[in-house]
Amino acid sequence: AQSVSQHNHHVILSEAASLELGCNYSYGGTVNLFWYVQYPGQHLQLLLKYFSGDPLVKGIKGFEAEFIKSKFSFNLRKPSVQWSDTAEYFCAVMGGPTSGTYKYIFGTGTRLKVLA
Amino acid sequence: DVKVTQSSRYLVKRTGEKVFLECVQDMDHENMFWYRQDPGLGLRLIYFSYDVKMKEKGDIPEGYSVSREKKERFSLILESASTNQTSMYLCASSEGGALAKNIQYFGAGTRLSVL
Repeated sequence: AQSVSQHNHHVILSEAASLELGCNYSYGGTVNLFWYVQYPGQHLQLLLKYFSGDPLVKGIKGFEAEFIKSKFSFNLRKPSVQWSDTAEYFCAVMGGPTSGTYKYIFGTGTRLKVLA
Repeated sequence: DVKVTQSSRYLVKRTGEKVFLECVQDMDHENMFWYRQDPGLGLRLIYFSYDVKMKEKGDIPEGYSVSREKKERFSLILESASTNQTSMYLCASSEGGALAKNIQYFGAGTRLSVL
């Protein structure tokens, strides 16, 4: 079955610490991959995306993610977190252009709290 | 900027009531989606629509129906609200077509409490 796993449900870090949030997926065929972020009281918004090409993608606010096809992973990273990165982060996968689907499969989310 | 507007931020209803959640997008997107968001469960797809009057069930359609009479508007209907439908409901839209990037844009959400 198609699925997305985010193994870290809650993460607490101090400011300036490095961040890595894991995302693994199970999906046959080519995929499009996304990370979305939901800041407290705000709507869900796109952080970064991978469609094709360079497997290392950069997003807003200094975030990046690496697509490792052999590991079915798309982990999110940031070298130095800030208090304002406190949010919930969701990984999502969608079938590639030939899949005929527009549906996302979301992970269960990771709540990140950054201590000032 | 894409704007997805959900008609209510907070809604309180009683068990058995019929509930309408409305969503409007202003970017002429073909696809629209309804999710519910629950702690520890992430976002789960209830229904989606890829064209006017077209709809497909998502992962948890039971107890819900949808309506899409116009391209910009997608309504979620709870025919007879129950307490287990207390949740945050998110609407999203995306472009359609084979070359579309399929980025989904989300509304602010409607927090529904069923008493």
